[in-house]
Amino acid sequence: DTAVSQTPKYLVTQMGNDKSIKCEQNLGHDTMYWYKQDSKKFLKIMFSYNNKELIINETVPNRFSPKSPDKAHLNLHINSLELGDSAVYFCASSHGHKNSPLHFGNGTRLTVT
Amino acid sequence: GQQLNQSPQSMFIQEGEDVSMNCTSSSIFNTWLWYKQDPGEGPVLLIALYKAGELTSNGRLTAQFGITRKDSFLNISVSIPSDVGIYFCAGQDYNNDMRFGAGTRLTVKP
Repeated sequence: DTAVSQTPKYLVTQMGNDKSIKCEQNLGHDTMYWYKQDSKKFLKIMFSYNNKELIINETVPNRFSPKSPDKAHLNLHINSLELGDSAVYFCASSHGHKNSPLHFGNGTRLTVT
Repeated sequence: GQQLNQSPQSMFIQEGEDVSMNCTSSSIFNTWLWYKQDPGEGPVLLIALYKAGELTSNGRLTAQFGITRKDSFLNISVSIPSDVGIYFCAGQDYNNDMRFGAGTRLTVKP
């Protein structure tokens, strides 16, 4: 019955590799997001998708690309991983209209060695 | 980056004590939200506030939407060990953009 689920929970990989993180929501929301949480716990938005349209991209390197096959899924693909990409990545979803709170997944801890 | 000033950064309290934390902004928000994050998990919504001056409770938690729409506070009464975690405020503006505070790390000593 998990509302927002993301996989994998942990991802350890070497510099230069390409990896993907998957996210699915069963809340019927029409907007999905990716957030990055650094070691200081700052939550920074990376992307949001509404009806398959990218509507936010907050100065994220183009090595990061969100892919949404449908309204219930928003995957995050990362090319040429760098050490600084190590962080916890959270998927979230909302109804997308004003005053709609975000619901978060449990995060993917990415470690780049 | 962060546009909300959340304080305090961390708190160490004794079980049974009351807790208060707040967020301020230079911008007006339409919605204020408070989340809690436990270790290894994602932030979970505690309270949502939609109107200036609104005061809302959720069990031992009480939050208020500041009358100027630029601030909010969260109070936890009679803290218990499971209140431990990181509490985030979040403000949502008229463009539906959401910004998070830097978090308040709460430690409760039994």
